[in-house]
Amino acid sequence: EIVMTQSPATLSVSPGERATLSCRASQSISSNLAWYQQKPGQAPRLLIYGASTRATGTPARFSGSGSGTEFTLTISSLQSEDFAVYYCQQYNDWFLWTFGQGTKVEIK
Amino acid sequence: QLQLQESGPGLVKPSEALSLTCTVSGGSITNSGYYWGWIRQPPGKGLEWIGTISYSGSTYYNPSLKSRVTISEDTSKNQFSLKLSSVTAADTAVYYCARLRPQWPEDWGQGTLVTVSS
Repeated sequence: EIVMTQSPATLSVSPGERATLSCRASQSISSNLAWYQQKPGQAPRLLIYGASTRATGTPARFSGSGSGTEFTLTISSLQSEDFAVYYCQQYNDWFLWTFGQGTKVEIK
Repeated sequence: QLQLQESGPGLVKPSEALSLTCTVSGGSITNSGYYWGWIRQPPGKGLEWIGTISYSGSTYYNPSLKSRVTISEDTSKNQFSLKLSSVTAADTAVYYCARLRPQWPEDWGQGTLVTVSS
């Protein structure tokens, strides 16, 4: 099983600042990575797939990068609606997905 | 617009089976190019993929749950279902159904909390 490790567990950021979230895979997953945003009481929402392709409706301030084992989600200028938990998911193995444990982005 | 709605009992007794149904509107579950799946999230914890069913009815399950999981479809009702047998408290979670692309969940239902307790 591919283990996904996200860091940090919690990120405290002021509105308007840049946020950088990391996701590491226990083995190479090429670019087979997606990012999700989850707000309290809501289902996750797809933000990024293919490590760097924004899903329909994802604002341009969200960008994904990386390949192999190291990945980054960057939020260029945090808006109030961006405070949430973010998960990465690998899908390198056909239907043997695994998710990271999440990074909570909170208001500083 | 695609909508997914989970339904089923919110309380299940230990050792019994959990059964949930996802009703899809705004799109057909037999539409090629999409798969359909279940994902769960224990309270306060992360996400766990349970299993997937393709537009043609092929199924794929998380190896850690495979012996207890069955996913099926009812194309006449545009629904797919989850059955998880021999549940324990560890199966208490919010269960989400989702449309898959097919390797990532693109659209999610709102989720339904299932509590395992006597």
